[in-house]
Amino acid sequence: GAVVSQHPSRVICKSGTSVKIECRSLDFQATTMFWYRQFPKQSLMLMATSNEGSKATYEQGVEKDKFLINHASLTLSTLTVTSAHPEDSSFYICSARKGNLGETQYFGPGTRLLVL
Amino acid sequence: AQKVTQAQTEISVVEKEDVTLDCVYETRDTTYYLFWYKQPPSGELVFLIRRNSFDEQNEISGRYSWNFQKSTSSFNFTITASQVVDSAVYFCALMRSGGYNKLIFGAGTRLAVHP
Repeated sequence: GAVVSQHPSRVICKSGTSVKIECRSLDFQATTMFWYRQFPKQSLMLMATSNEGSKATYEQGVEKDKFLINHASLTLSTLTVTSAHPEDSSFYICSARKGNLGETQYFGPGTRLLVL
Repeated sequence: AQKVTQAQTEISVVEKEDVTLDCVYETRDTTYYLFWYKQPPSGELVFLIRRNSFDEQNEISGRYSWNFQKSTSSFNFTITASQVVDSAVYFCALMRSGGYNKLIFGAGTRLAVHP
């Protein structure tokens, strides 16, 4: 199989705090992981591409200092939303790709972030 | 430019009806990949199928079937004898063969299957 987990599944925080979301590939090594954001009833918006051991590549319009991404190992990538504000409230979902280019991305269950 | 169009925003059917979800894509690449994902109310995207541009064979998996036609740049998805558990948002996606292999998603089609 190809199982991807995310933690936490749901988080509520106060404005100004930072929140870390973990994405793990449980049964395979992921050289590349992706972070998406999804607003209600909309499609997924790619935020950044993360390759193990190197800096993430951010999509245009995504603030790299606001959304810190670390891909420290072949099974773990983290997204930290720094100094969160209510407009950061969203559904964040990660995906992981097994290896070679063209391979399928497998998605985690997502994290619902609510910033009060 | 790469683009995926899912013109059907919402579809509502009664159980046991067949339903086809349309997907039209645009790309100038000769090598690319097409995907369908299912997103149930829980939120997780479930991988359904991957097809590369050189393989135009249609595929059937149980009640699911896919029709890939390069001539019309379409990759349609049909659910036969729909069930309530099929209710979800379905996304069609396109991936280029080079670079970081970003997935380009369509807007999604929300399918509601009523008993």
